[in-house]
Amino acid sequence: DGGITQSPKYLFRKEGQNVTLSCEQNLNHDAMYWYRQDPGQGLRLIYYSQIVNDFQKGDIAEGYSVSREKKESFPLTVTSAQKNPTAFYLCASSGGDRWNTEAFFGQGTRLTVV
Amino acid sequence: GENVEQHPSTLSVQEGDSAVIKCTYSDSASNYFPWYKQELGKRPQLIIDIRSNVGEKKDQRIAVTLNKTAKHFSLHITETQPEDSAVYFCAAGSPARRSYIPTFGRGTSLIVHP
Repeated sequence: DGGITQSPKYLFRKEGQNVTLSCEQNLNHDAMYWYRQDPGQGLRLIYYSQIVNDFQKGDIAEGYSVSREKKESFPLTVTSAQKNPTAFYLCASSGGDRWNTEAFFGQGTRLTVV
Repeated sequence: GENVEQHPSTLSVQEGDSAVIKCTYSDSASNYFPWYKQELGKRPQLIIDIRSNVGEKKDQRIAVTLNKTAKHFSLHITETQPEDSAVYFCAAGSPARRSYIPTFGRGTSLIVHP
């Protein structure tokens, strides 16, 4: 079954802890990226990667970190420096060229800080 | 960077009416404009897209129009049905900016009353 998978679906974190969200795709896509979704804010880009071993900050990267060691995987770490981490996080991937522009989304991870 | 504005934030219609959602973008280099639908508790999915070399595109009850001069594009849904109820996001992408990774508007919550 091809697609993009995020885990876990729900995640609870204590204040001051780092937490890592998983994102895996088997679509052979070059580009992978993370959005944060808050009510009324739309989808805001956190980090993106266009190729293995390379990634760039998006519009709201502060307090987050990523790695892209494999084409299939793009995990996101929410660090203790992120002041308001409670949100819905969406991972997406796309081909990254003009013929493959559709973004395919994972089912999301809802992170709650307790 | 790109800035995408979307209006209205909420749209309530009666079943069978038409619905129109409008977006503007700021970066003249943007040439790819997708629309995503996100049903409650689900991931966003592409419903239609348009590129800057055309002014209009239709797919059954859905149509998009693009005015490059005004940097304005719209989604039109005719003969709305209750299953059209969802949040709709417009977006803009550019080959020069993040390999078409979309910049999203804030979303429109469409409610179709039976």
